Formats: sequence, structure tokens, C-alpha cells
Amino acid sequence: EPEVTQTPSHQVTQMGQEVILRCVPISNHLYFYWYRQILGQKVEFLVSFYNNEISEKSEIFDDQFSVERPDGSNFTLKIRSTKLEDSAMYFCASRAGQGFTEAFFGQGTRLTVV
Amino acid sequence: DQQVKQNSPSLSVQEGRISILNCDYTNSMFDYFLWYKKYPAEGPTFLISISSIKDKNEDGRFTVFLNKSAKHLSLHIVPSQPGDSAVYFCAASYGYGQNFVFGPGTRLSVLP
Repeated sequence: EPEVTQTPSHQVTQMGQEVILRCVPISNHLYFYWYRQILGQKVEFLVSFYNNEISEKSEIFDDQFSVERPDGSNFTLKIRSTKLEDSAMYFCASRAGQGFTEAFFGQGTRLTVV
Repeated sequence: DQQVKQNSPSLSVQEGRISILNCDYTNSMFDYFLWYKKYPAEGPTFLISISSIKDKNEDGRFTVFLNKSAKHLSLHIVPSQPGDSAVYFCAASYGYGQNFVFGPGTRLSVLP
């Protein structure tokens, strides 16, 4: 069964460092998302991506964040200068189309900023 | 601003009985609702969805009911099994390609 894959599963980084989280969405899906979940809190939307551009972003997704689909298969989230409060599980998701279709989530990357 | 609410943080049910998880929303623009199940250290797994043109959708042991006038939906699991023990998230969206807004989740424990 097709699945969304994320790497790495766990990333530890020092405050102020740049991190890149990687995702391979399900092939032939058109909509891509990043969500995060801080420990014990709700799943929060960060950004959606369609047709090689950001279609929507939340207030969390500030100038420190960027997304890219460099080669037609990978979908990356970059955090330029990590802060302690960026520590969370980051989930990538993809969706086949618009309208009434579900999103499929990856297993997540646990980011720990020390 | 909590657009999607799940007022019960936890629920315990005996194996074989019915589990009912509830969700309320405030945004009347939402037209698509989903339930996701999540185990620790894993991503959310899609369970079942319903569009606003329906009031019920069934898939095996899982049934979702939507009451648009009350802005309320519920997930029924019958019969409940120990493997159903997880956190259940209600999510909602509107418009084409829009993101999903998640509720805070309900932790279901099914006791053998």
C-alpha cells in the first residue's frame, strides 16, 4: 500500500542551527502538507503546497520556515535557525486531490532542539 | 480560537461494548469531516470521513454521524477491541484543497 515516508525519524539539533526535514509523498498525489505536534498538544497546520507553490500557511509558518519540492518526489521543510520551541513531531501529509479526499500522513520526524 | 473541539480528553470502554467519541465545531463553512487514529510515536492514520451532504457514513465497525444544525459529529466503534486503544482526532476542512483543522484528541482505552 502506498505510504508517505519521512526521514529522519529523529533529529537532534542545537539551537540556531538549520534543519531540513524530508518527506516523500504518495506518488500522483497533488497536495502536500506539513503539520506539527508539540508534546501533549494538538496537531497544528503549518503549510500546504500545491502546483509548486505554497497555497496556505499558518501564523506558525514564519520567515524561519520554508518548503520546497526540489525534484518532483521529495517535499522538504527547512527551519533556518531553530529555537527551543520548535521541538515537536513534524508530520508530512499528502492528498490525491481537492474536495472530499483524505490526507495520508507519514510517521513523523521528532525534532529536538537543545 | 478552537474551531474543532473534543471535550472529552479520555474515554474508557469495556471490550465488546460501543465507544462513542464526540466532536463539535464552530465554523459553519466546514464541509468535510474526518476521524484519524493515532498511536504514540506514529503519524495519524485515516479512519473514516463524511461530507456535509450526508448525515451518516459507515465502514465496518466504524460509523460517523453528522448533525449539521448542532455542528456536532460523533464516531461510533462497535464492538470495541483492545487494539482500538489510541488517541482519536476529529478534523475538518472546507473548500478545495484546504488544510485540515484538528481537534485536541480523545484518548480511548478499551479494557479487556
